[in-house]
Amino acid sequence: DQQVKQNSPSLSVQEGRISILNCDYTNSMFDYFLWYKKYPAEGPTFLISISSIKDKNEDGRFTVFLNKSAKHLSLHIVPSQPGDSAVYFCAANSGFSGGSYIPTFGRGTSLIVHP
Amino acid sequence: NAGVTQTPKFRVLKTGQSMTLLCAQDMNHEYMYWYRQDPGMGLRLIHYSVGEGTTAKGEVPDGYNVSRLKKQNFLLGLESAAPSQTSVYFCASSYGRINSPLHFGNGTRLTVT
Repeated sequence: DQQVKQNSPSLSVQEGRISILNCDYTNSMFDYFLWYKKYPAEGPTFLISISSIKDKNEDGRFTVFLNKSAKHLSLHIVPSQPGDSAVYFCAANSGFSGGSYIPTFGRGTSLIVHP
Repeated sequence: NAGVTQTPKFRVLKTGQSMTLLCAQDMNHEYMYWYRQDPGMGLRLIHYSVGEGTTAKGEVPDGYNVSRLKKQNFLLGLESAAPSQTSVYFCASSYGRINSPLHFGNGTRLTVT
């Protein structure tokens, strides 16, 4: 049973527009969330994170929103650029709750940004 | 600063053969992990280690063994390879704190025929 779900396997957007990638989780113990970005033939790299005490974290063009009551988070990329084309993984852990620091990953969303 | 280095990058095995995948990190990280990535399945944790000399099972440990004799190295072994183990394997490391992200290697693409 997936505890971290990324229900959209792929997303296609036009350059300059907003990309919104979604992630849902089922484990209420999760209290820290991370997004990773993966290019082909490379390992994933950390992009941005958010703890459960916040509902928004921003880093340049990337913003992550957390809705704890809905157990939902989203990654917004504004404006989208062709170089953002990659697979994005959502991950969660429960370290603050005294649980595990070992992250659980979603299955990823492949983002394609068209010029 | 090399980060996380995986060797080899590619390997083809016949069913029943054995091999060891090597992961080395130079960031003095406590935690190390082995994941496999399959189409549509995301990253699934095989085994992990929270420190030198320790190992633990992840989500999909069957058919794999690991060892962490030195803090900087984490080895993944396949004793008798099966076609179901055809995958891309990623090693990662971290400080093992709540807000410390994982640093990944660039993967090993393994094909078992």
